[in-house]
Amino acid sequence: EAAVTQSPRNKVAVTGGKVTLSCNQTNNHNNMYWYRQDTGHGLRLIHYSYGAGSTEKGDIPDGYKASRPSQENFSLILELATPSQTSVYFCASGDARDWGYEQYFGPGTRLTVL
Amino acid sequence: GDSVTQTEGQVTVSESKSLIINCTYSATSIAYPNLFWYVRYPGEGLQLLLKVITAGQKGSSRGFEATYNKETTSFHLQKASVQESDSAVYYCALSDRNRIFFGDGTQLVVKP
Repeated sequence: EAAVTQSPRNKVAVTGGKVTLSCNQTNNHNNMYWYRQDTGHGLRLIHYSYGAGSTEKGDIPDGYKASRPSQENFSLILELATPSQTSVYFCASGDARDWGYEQYFGPGTRLTVL
Repeated sequence: GDSVTQTEGQVTVSESKSLIINCTYSATSIAYPNLFWYVRYPGEGLQLLLKVITAGQKGSSRGFEATYNKETTSFHLQKASVQESDSAVYYCALSDRNRIFFGDGTQLVVKP
């Protein structure tokens, strides 16, 4: 069974609208991450979290908020969506206590902002 | 800061030929980062292909291999004979054990 799931898988939004992307993990990992991936760029870190109630800014946080209400759930919120936020968004989880630390990814959400 | 460089945006190889995808890294926050290759098949999320956490060691999976070279700060991905099903985007990455830094990815196209 998929350990990291994302919803929705595809989303079309209008400029200025609010968008919420959801992520759920059953790995019992403390850390969760939101990335965006654009052609010609690798994965760029938007926000991450060390555990329930915590959110931290990544490398490109402007225009995004995050929420971690529980160990399992991590949301990415676009309060006022813009066309420049059209991208594929990936959620991931990982356990930084693991010496061989790796991240486990969801299938991605394709967001189009018109 | 820590970073990963993949110089090729796309590599095209004929089926059954050998492959090398280049990766170099820079780690300033940690002397011995963990190194990874992730792969993204069309329509899917990223999945770990292989990882190496000890300098000088080689990791291998599904016929791919990569050696952690501390001297040249490289972690090139190689395969002796590629298949059409290997067509995907390959990402080199390093971890400082708190977060992962990804390269820009290399699109592998395998021609029949």
